[in-house]
Amino acid sequence: NAGVTQTPKFQVLKTGQSMTLQCAQDMNHNSMYWYRQDPGMGLRLIYYSASEGTTDKGEVPNGYNVSRLNKREFSLRLESAAPSQTSVYFCASSEMGLGQFFGPGTRLTVL
Amino acid sequence: GQQLNQSPQSMFIQEGEDVSMNCTSSSIFNTWLWYKQDPGEGPVLLIALYKAGELTSNGRLTAQFGITRKDSFLNISASIPSDVGIYFCAGPASGGSYIPTFGRGTSLIVSSV
Repeated sequence: NAGVTQTPKFQVLKTGQSMTLQCAQDMNHNSMYWYRQDPGMGLRLIYYSASEGTTDKGEVPNGYNVSRLNKREFSLRLESAAPSQTSVYFCASSEMGLGQFFGPGTRLTVL
Repeated sequence: GQQLNQSPQSMFIQEGEDVSMNCTSSSIFNTWLWYKQDPGEGPVLLIALYKAGELTSNGRLTAQFGITRKDSFLNISASIPSDVGIYFCAGPASGGSYIPTFGRGTSLIVSSV
């Protein structure tokens, strides 16, 4: 039982490049989330998926897109990376109303 | 959206000391969650509170759901070096939303005696 896994762990991009962050959970949770964490800012919600087939914007969705591929997988895409998107990205999953389980994070630097 | 104010922002204590931190909200919460984030890792859920006035312990950690439903407290007794990390409060405001909002965290540093 791996919990929540994320790939890659580290990534460096140039401004304008695109990439997809992958997330998978094996706990059969319905809800999945993408957060970004910046120093002193805590965790800010980018997008979430309440259940398979649905996605909704969070607090900071601009510059990102998501896909809930199936119940297990929820990916985050940066179409044209910008330096402001340098951050640590966390994926999480949960059952509605209960505490979230987080992945180990992806550390992204955009030059 | 609702604001979560977490304090203190950081704490530097000696091993063996007790620690207290709190979180206040501009909205009424129906759930309070406390997480710990070790350096280089994702947050891990420590304690979940679901009822006003509830007091819940997890080892040396004790958390309380405030009576007003707008605040919560986390206490750590007899701190040890592995308590180092960032502690976050979180919770979905009442009114149907289940999506948690996170505080900005309390950074705890514990020095060995």
